[in-house]
Amino acid sequence: GQNIDQPTEMTATEGAIVQINCTYQTSGFNGLFWYQQHAGEAPTFLSYNVLDGLEEKGRFSSFLSRSKGYSYLLLKELQMKDSASYLCAVVDSNYQLIWGAGTKLIIKP
Amino acid sequence: GAVVSQHPSWVICKSGTSVKIECRSLDFQATTMFWYRQFPKQSLMLMATSNEGSKATYEQGVEKDKFLINHASLTLSTLTVTSAHPEDSSFYICSVLTSGSPREQYFGPGTRLTVT
Repeated sequence: GQNIDQPTEMTATEGAIVQINCTYQTSGFNGLFWYQQHAGEAPTFLSYNVLDGLEEKGRFSSFLSRSKGYSYLLLKELQMKDSASYLCAVVDSNYQLIWGAGTKLIIKP
Repeated sequence: GAVVSQHPSWVICKSGTSVKIECRSLDFQATTMFWYRQFPKQSLMLMATSNEGSKATYEQGVEKDKFLINHASLTLSTLTVTSAHPEDSSFYICSVLTSGSPREQYFGPGTRLTVT
């Protein structure tokens, strides 16, 4: 079967750095997305990795290792507005998105 | 990135009535659109893949006669929830898939449906 694993909840302090991990087992791989979702809103696109390595976009970075079936989202200089759910999703061989359950990130002052 | 709109943003309807939700790709011609549903405190669930000019592909467990999808043009897909029931109350989100390389996905703002 297809499976995406990420922690259910994480807590971090304002100004700190947090890493949210995602491991996957899917039928084929055509990329991995990270999305941010605030309560009651639609997800917002953060990053898309299809090749191994680290991609940096401002305070957010995303890393992918296809051989290990592993990705992480790194958030630096955390702000209170970063409190949200972070969703990992893998595109399988049929271009279907396989979603993780999301990681709820709680930022404390 | 692509701009995607949904209408309405929220709707309340009575049990037994039908509701139509529109998804528009404002600046991109999308041959493929996706419809998702999200229940409270749960992840997004793919309902169906909407392909312009052909029938939608529904995920297992999604009733195609209840959730009618029409993708009549490259910029518009509609989802009609027929004979809605309270258990259909949910957040419905559409997205467009770009055709470039690598392909990217952009989401609409969502439609919150409440069936009373």
